[in-house]
Amino acid sequence: EVQLVESGGGLVQPGRSLKLSCAASGFTFSNYGMAWVRQAPTKGLEWVATISYDGSSTYYRDSVKGRFTISRDNAKSTLYLQMDSLRSEDTATYYCARQNGYDPYWYFDFWGPGTMVTVSS
Amino acid sequence: DIQMTQSPPSLSASLGETVSIECRASEDIYSNLAWYQQKSGKSPQLLIHYASSLQDGAPSRFSGSGSDTQYSLKISGMQPEDEGVYYCLQGSKYPYTFGAGTKLEVK
Repeated sequence: EVQLVESGGGLVQPGRSLKLSCAASGFTFSNYGMAWVRQAPTKGLEWVATISYDGSSTYYRDSVKGRFTISRDNAKSTLYLQMDSLRSEDTATYYCARQNGYDPYWYFDFWGPGTMVTVSS
Repeated sequence: DIQMTQSPPSLSASLGETVSIECRASEDIYSNLAWYQQKSGKSPQLLIHYASSLQDGAPSRFSGSGSDTQYSLKISGMQPEDEGVYYCLQGSKYPYTFGAGTKLEVK
């Protein structure tokens, strides 16, 4: 059974940093691209970043480019999101998702339960 | 960026009724369209990918259709457990973009 479990969320002041983790199990982690998707309170879904199966390629939405870094450790089956220079508008539940398909036909087939990040003074 | 325009924003349906939700892309996304259901307080669940392929485990009353820029999700026979918010996603071009969501309730 595919399982994704996020951790690392919490309350952080504007301008500070936070690192999220996503522990994967139930599938061969190193075979899949992975992504972070976020959802602000009472709002819709927003793709944040994607990393290729081997970590060689990364993609970001413009609003987080230069502030967030997606990475992975295939030996530990773990995905990360380093978030620096956090802003109030980054407040959201952050979901880890497995990216499936083939270029350029991608979709997210499994999601974790999410971890809440609140940016506030 | 590709804009995904989803309609209607909300919908109320009787049990057993057939409902449709639409998504229009601002450019051709070559059937690279997925549909998700999100229940309150839960993470999204994949229903349909490649516009019309039913995800393993998704009920067969869900079906998807469309091409180019116009896509739709149909629920044939509304059930109580179908309440939730439905989103479309285009995974054709970065940044991947979601529709704004359709809130579906039982009448």
